[in-house]
Amino acid sequence: QKEVEQNSGPLSVPEGAIASLNCTYSDRGSQSFFWYRQYSGKSPELIMSIYSNGDKEDGRFTAQLNKASQYVSLLIRDSQPSDSATYLCAVNNYGQNFVFGPGTRLSVLP
Amino acid sequence: SAVISQKPSRDICQRGTSLTIQCQVDSQVTMMFWYRQQPGQSLTLIATANQGSEATYESGFVIDKFPISRPNLTFSTLTVSNMSPEDSSIYLCSVESQVHTGELFFGEGSRLTVL
Repeated sequence: QKEVEQNSGPLSVPEGAIASLNCTYSDRGSQSFFWYRQYSGKSPELIMSIYSNGDKEDGRFTAQLNKASQYVSLLIRDSQPSDSATYLCAVNNYGQNFVFGPGTRLSVLP
Repeated sequence: SAVISQKPSRDICQRGTSLTIQCQVDSQVTMMFWYRQQPGQSLTLIATANQGSEATYESGFVIDKFPISRPNLTFSTLTVSNMSPEDSSIYLCSVESQVHTGELFFGEGSRLTVL
């Protein structure tokens, strides 16, 4: 059974702080990794993708991947109340289906 | 990115009835995916719909309960048959990016409540 695990939260951080979201996965053959943001009552939207070990930065977001440890994280710098949402980690092995984690609920406090 | 339209956006249904959800994409895509998201939970893949062939269902989901049509490369339907309260969920249509393999785009979802 391929699994993706995340802390369900809620993770609360003050406005302006760094939010750190973590994800582990069980399938060593996984090759692509994604972070989706889902606002309450809305559908998921892709915010970051990462395919190789190391860091990938996009604005206030940084995704980090460590395949040896089967670990992927998302850092949100200068967190804003508008970042409050559930963040879903998703993992894909080419040719196979996506596996989504349960999501971490982030609350950024003004 | 693809623009995906789903309808209905929400519905309240009676136990034992069936409801068909429609998904329209603004571009031609090979595969369309149907996900379920139960309250407070993550996304679970129901099936993958390919044009011109039978849908491929994931473990725990069967065609009799969730029949799918895929008449062309831009449209698909998912029917939730003989509904029970346990089927109350958000159903999401999804397609894969044509540019970046592995990236999914989602429709706005169809929120079903079964009484």
